[in-house]
Amino acid sequence: AQKVTQAQTEISVVEKEDVTLDCVYETRDTTYYLFWYKQPPSGELVFLIRRNSFDEQNEISGRYSWNFQKSTSSFNFTITASQVVDSAVYFCALRYNSGYSTLTFGKGTMLLVSP
Amino acid sequence: EAGVAQSPRYKIIEKRQSVAFWCNPISGHATLYWYQQILGQGPKLLIQFQNNGVVDDSQLPKDRFSAERLKGVDSTLKIQPAKLEDSAVYLCASSLGTRQGIADTQYFGPGTRLTVL
Repeated sequence: AQKVTQAQTEISVVEKEDVTLDCVYETRDTTYYLFWYKQPPSGELVFLIRRNSFDEQNEISGRYSWNFQKSTSSFNFTITASQVVDSAVYFCALRYNSGYSTLTFGKGTMLLVSP
Repeated sequence: EAGVAQSPRYKIIEKRQSVAFWCNPISGHATLYWYQQILGQGPKLLIQFQNNGVVDDSQLPKDRFSAERLKGVDSTLKIQPAKLEDSAVYLCASSLGTRQGIADTQYFGPGTRLTVL
């Protein structure tokens, strides 16, 4: 069975603060893929990043960075110098590499960035 | 490149009525997905198509929900009759789906927010 846990239901920060969103996953597969999506108030899920289980290099894209650690089954997401436009619900998702397997989503973390 | 299109964006119906949602995937995407997202939760897959064939519909409540993807492009999702617990956002997504087992990225539409009174 696969499971994605996002323990933080809601996080509130003030603009320019750094914030880390946690994601812990469970899977028995050795090959799998992890994703982060952003869902702003408009409702559309926006793809942010995909990571495969063999690549534990951390990734940075502008103010966004991701820390993947297989030893702790975590794939955390950090926003540096947060902005009001970062306010959204962020979802972590897992897909295993077998057939037409689908995404298993966490419950999401709502991030509120105030000016 | 145009994204995934969905309509309508909002729908309000009374219980026991029927409703249909439409989705147009990204051009060239072979795989199409319908998700149900209840408030405060992550999306849950209802049905997955590969071209015009169903790959996974294990979580589709088949007594009331149906979906089709004619000609392997557009898709419609229907609920008949609707229940109060069907109130949710219905998201359509598509992916290239060119090879089985390869994790291609799913791209989502804006969703349809359904309210059942």
